[in-house]
Amino acid sequence: GQQLNQSPQSMFIQEGEDVSMNCTSSSIFNTWLWYKQDPGEGPVLLIALYKAGELTSNGRLTAQFGITRKDSFLNISASIPSDVGIYFCAGRIASGSRLTFGEGTQLTVNP
Amino acid sequence: NAGVTQTPKFQVLKTGQSMTLQCAQDMNHNSMYWYRQDPGMGLRLIYYSASEGTTDKGEVPNGYNVSRLNKREFSLRLESAAPSQTSVYFCASTGGHRDEQFFGPGTRLTVL
Repeated sequence: GQQLNQSPQSMFIQEGEDVSMNCTSSSIFNTWLWYKQDPGEGPVLLIALYKAGELTSNGRLTAQFGITRKDSFLNISASIPSDVGIYFCAGRIASGSRLTFGEGTQLTVNP
Repeated sequence: NAGVTQTPKFQVLKTGQSMTLQCAQDMNHNSMYWYRQDPGMGLRLIYYSASEGTTDKGEVPNGYNVSRLNKREFSLRLESAAPSQTSVYFCASTGGHRDEQFFGPGTRLTVL
């Protein structure tokens, strides 16, 4: 089956810093999704990507669908304390197929 | 729209007890999923239902059963709970023209 490697596993940063995380796959995906999970809550969809090379922003968040279709990146600019949480990537090889999830990146932002 | 709803939010069981976790979505999605999330781990798929009337096993189906009651509702049953099933359970649904997946708020289950 597909495997997704998400890195880093955890990040400890200062408020105001920029953050980058990425996911790589052993398979070619046609969809990449990025989620954020706040403590005690369910994952919330942040950004969805559907084409190789696509760059999409949601406020201070920007995600890119890698050209090879085997990777995706999420950047957070000027981090704030409420950015704390777990960020998950997820990918799909074809429409209608199941999502494969990364293991998550735990982000801690120090005020 | 409430999105995906789950009940209960919290539950404590004794080993051997049974219970059913309920999930409903109001987005007219075809596909629904049950995941479990353990500390420090990602989401693991237990069962899914690609459409009303069908169910399939995911990565970790042992000890669970599911029922797709109708298009809206997808329940997860533990027939004889074990401490290894202590976890947070998330229901999700997928659909719409962009095929996006949305999650419920979770059920926190402790088996003593």
